[in-house]
Amino acid sequence: EDQVTQSPEALRLQEGESSSLNCSYTVSGLRGLFWYRQDPGKGPEFLFTLYSAGEEKEKERLKATLTKKESFLHITAPKPEDSATYLCAVSEGNKLVFGAGTILRVKS
Amino acid sequence: EAEVAQSPRYKITEKSQAVAFWCDPISGHATLYWYRQILGQGPELLVQFQDESVVDDSQLPKDRFSAERLKGVDSTLKIQPAELGDSAMYLCASSLDRAGELFFGEGSRLTVL
Repeated sequence: EDQVTQSPEALRLQEGESSSLNCSYTVSGLRGLFWYRQDPGKGPEFLFTLYSAGEEKEKERLKATLTKKESFLHITAPKPEDSATYLCAVSEGNKLVFGAGTILRVKS
Repeated sequence: EAEVAQSPRYKITEKSQAVAFWCDPISGHATLYWYRQILGQGPELLVQFQDESVVDDSQLPKDRFSAERLKGVDSTLKIQPAELGDSAMYLCASSLDRAGELFFGEGSRLTVL
């Protein structure tokens, strides 16, 4: 069965302190890896889709990268408003299978 | 900007009662999903529709849960009877096709007492 594992479970950063979140996956024939942001009490909000190893995508302070077995979400100079849970998901057949997420807190 | 609408946002019920959640996807989105998210975990797929047909309901507890999408537009998820372990966020999502980006609603938070 396909597995999606995210680490760390929680991360506390000071404002401006860059870091990375990890998503490792085991899937036969990756059809897409997705990153979502989820604020407390809200539904997930789409960030990126990556399809092949070596692919990178950027949005403001976030950059997602993909290798054959894992993806990283790099956060450069984070701000308090970047605080949220970041979810990773992979396509399994015609559905998305999610990891448990990384809870990010950025303190000013 | 088009959004996925869900109601109610919050529902508190006693165990053994019936509960229903409603979802209106983004117009034109053929694929609709119901996910359940337990606190501290990622969303887990309950049921997936393509138009009005069920594509995947392998994780739906069919003894108490039912879902329908009449006319291939809005959808209802029902739980009867509710159990304590059903307390969770119920998320509806839609997409243009079966392999694309999912757009989620705000969710319906269920508490079973």
